[in-house]
Amino acid sequence: AQSVAQPEDQVNVAEGNPLTVKCTYSVSGNPYLFWYVQYPNRGLQFLLKYITGDNLVKGSYGFEAEFNKSQTSFHLKKPSALVSDSALYFCAVSNDRGSTLGRLYFGRGTQLTVWP
Amino acid sequence: EAGVAQSPRYKIIEKRQSVAFWCNPISGHATLYWYQQILGQGPKLLIQFQNNGVVDDSQLPKDRFSAERLKGVDSTLKIQPAKLEDSAVYLCASSHSSRGGPKETQYFGPGTRLLVL
Repeated sequence: AQSVAQPEDQVNVAEGNPLTVKCTYSVSGNPYLFWYVQYPNRGLQFLLKYITGDNLVKGSYGFEAEFNKSQTSFHLKKPSALVSDSALYFCAVSNDRGSTLGRLYFGRGTQLTVWP
Repeated sequence: EAGVAQSPRYKIIEKRQSVAFWCNPISGHATLYWYQQILGQGPKLLIQFQNNGVVDDSQLPKDRFSAERLKGVDSTLKIQPAKLEDSAVYLCASSHSSRGGPKETQYFGPGTRLLVL
């Protein structure tokens, strides 16, 4: 079965420091990985995705993520955090095999808090 | 370009009542999705449409939930009768491709927050 794990419910960092939000996945076939961000009372906003090619993917608002096939991970990173980055972050995976072709599976989310 | 529109934004009902949510996807997007997001969890797919046909409704509780996309554009999700455990945010998303494949980016609306008392 396809699944996503976000091992940290909360991540706290100081403004200006680098941040990492962790994600690991389990799928059959090729994984396609996504990061979304959710601000209070708003829907999910797409940040970036990995489909194929370069393992380092760059996305919106200075975020990037690194795909690591051997560790089945897709951690979200940013070199310098902003207070405005404080939000709920979701990792999601889809795959190209099986009866659930194309379905997105989401992790439980990680609440990022950036303090001034 | 306008995003995915949903209404209402909030709804409070009593158990056993019925409720309906509406979604208008991004113009030109062929694939439409309904998700349920329970507090503290990630979104879970309920149903996926490609144009006006259902692609995946395997996780839709069909005894009480129904959805339609009659003209291949906007969609309605209905719950009848509602249960306490249906309290959640219902998110609508759309993607461009008519194939709705695994590589497609899904764009989400603001959601409808449902509270069942």
